[in-house]
Amino acid sequence: DADVTQTPRNRITKTGKRIMLECSQTKGHDRMYWYRQDPGLGLRLIYYSFDVKDINKGEISDGYSVSRQAQAKFSLSLESAIPNQTALYFCATSLSGEGGHYNEQFFGPGTRLTVL
Amino acid sequence: QKEVEQDPGPLSVPEGAIVSLNCTYSNSAFQYFMWYRQYSRKGPELLMYTYSSGNKEDGRFTAQVDKSSKYISLFIRDSQPSDSATYLCAIGGNNRLAFGKGNQVVVIP
Repeated sequence: DADVTQTPRNRITKTGKRIMLECSQTKGHDRMYWYRQDPGLGLRLIYYSFDVKDINKGEISDGYSVSRQAQAKFSLSLESAIPNQTALYFCATSLSGEGGHYNEQFFGPGTRLTVL
Repeated sequence: QKEVEQDPGPLSVPEGAIVSLNCTYSNSAFQYFMWYRQYSRKGPELLMYTYSSGNKEDGRFTAQVDKSSKYISLFIRDSQPSDSATYLCAIGGNNRLAFGKGNQVVVIP
């Protein structure tokens, strides 16, 4: 089955460490997204990419960077992790084009990140 | 004012009851209205999608949109324990989605 996968699924790290979360998809979608989910705050967009050469900041990009290595791969990095980056992180993909196809986003299983 | 407001309070109902969830939004430019369902330890998945005012039914689920009031609702009839999940509203426009905070729904057998 075409899918969205994330690695690692769980990660505990210390303040100041650099970490990378990876996302791969076999759906053939052009668009990829990174969100974080916090209790009481919902899903917030960190970065999104319309294709390999088109990367955009979302509403909460400070402290994060991304790399779109290929159409199927989109990684999120925390250059120097801090405790308030403790959250559940989701990668998502969607089609592009007319008619609002981007509205159906397919989410990966999430990475639970804890920064001590 | 946040783009999408969804009261995140948990909701517990007995099996067979009607579940009613709602969101308000502030930006009239949003054209697409969705409900995503998220089971525990899973990513969200699209449940309902509409782009016009009125009602859309899919089995036991009804999505309702009132563009004049900027108000969207989701109704679940004959609720089942398998409906226990978090439900997030989402509004789409300008190539992006804005999500509500989500409501955790528990259906008690």
